[in-house]
Amino acid sequence: KAGVTQTPRYLIKTRGQQVTLSCSPISGHRSVSWYQQTPGQGLQFLFEYFSETQRNKGNFPGRFSGRQFSNSRSEMNVSTLELGDSALYLCASSLSRPQETQYFGPGTRLLVL
Amino acid sequence: GENVEQHPSTLSVQEGDSAVIKCTYSDSASNYFPWYKQELGKGPQLIIDIRSNVGEKKDQRIAVTLNKTAKHFSLHITETQPEDSAVYFCAASIESGGGADGLTFGKGTHLIIQP
Repeated sequence: KAGVTQTPRYLIKTRGQQVTLSCSPISGHRSVSWYQQTPGQGLQFLFEYFSETQRNKGNFPGRFSGRQFSNSRSEMNVSTLELGDSALYLCASSLSRPQETQYFGPGTRLLVL
Repeated sequence: GENVEQHPSTLSVQEGDSAVIKCTYSDSASNYFPWYKQELGKGPQLIIDIRSNVGEKKDQRIAVTLNKTAKHFSLHITETQPEDSAVYFCAASIESGGGADGLTFGKGTHLIIQP
């Protein structure tokens, strides 16, 4: 069974640009959550999607957005990038909610210059 | 919102000894407490979890205990091995009927197993 895949694995952008990250969950998983990981703030919840609907959102500015497609694949978008957005962005999938076994992908490492 | 404190930030133990990592949470409504292990270059991996209707759960060398009154929970690893070296994260969340609250994570503990 294939695990959670995230693309791209590494990304370098400059301030003011926007970026789109992609996540393919484990087959059959319908809940996809996104997290930001930084050395200073640790792992922070961004948002969670189920059946193409955002069910919950963490405490991040509106520049962070996401969506989920009918095949459960998810994308997150960050507009007007800031230096502080440099982080590892992790996607996790589970059958129907985050409180079940969540499987994390390897992450996308974003560097904003 | 929920706040999770995790201690210690670094823990060094001799191979074969036990390791204990402690977390406290602030929201008494939280009822789901997972522990994750993260190795270098990889995403976190769930190693054990506990729900608030249970006080203790064991899986081979790993155990988690939960004290709802004091709002703290702990991870215990016995007979530590070199492959246990990693960063460990605790988390807390509210699990409700249709809910999908995200996980609130502690800042992590870097566990070092000395040979």
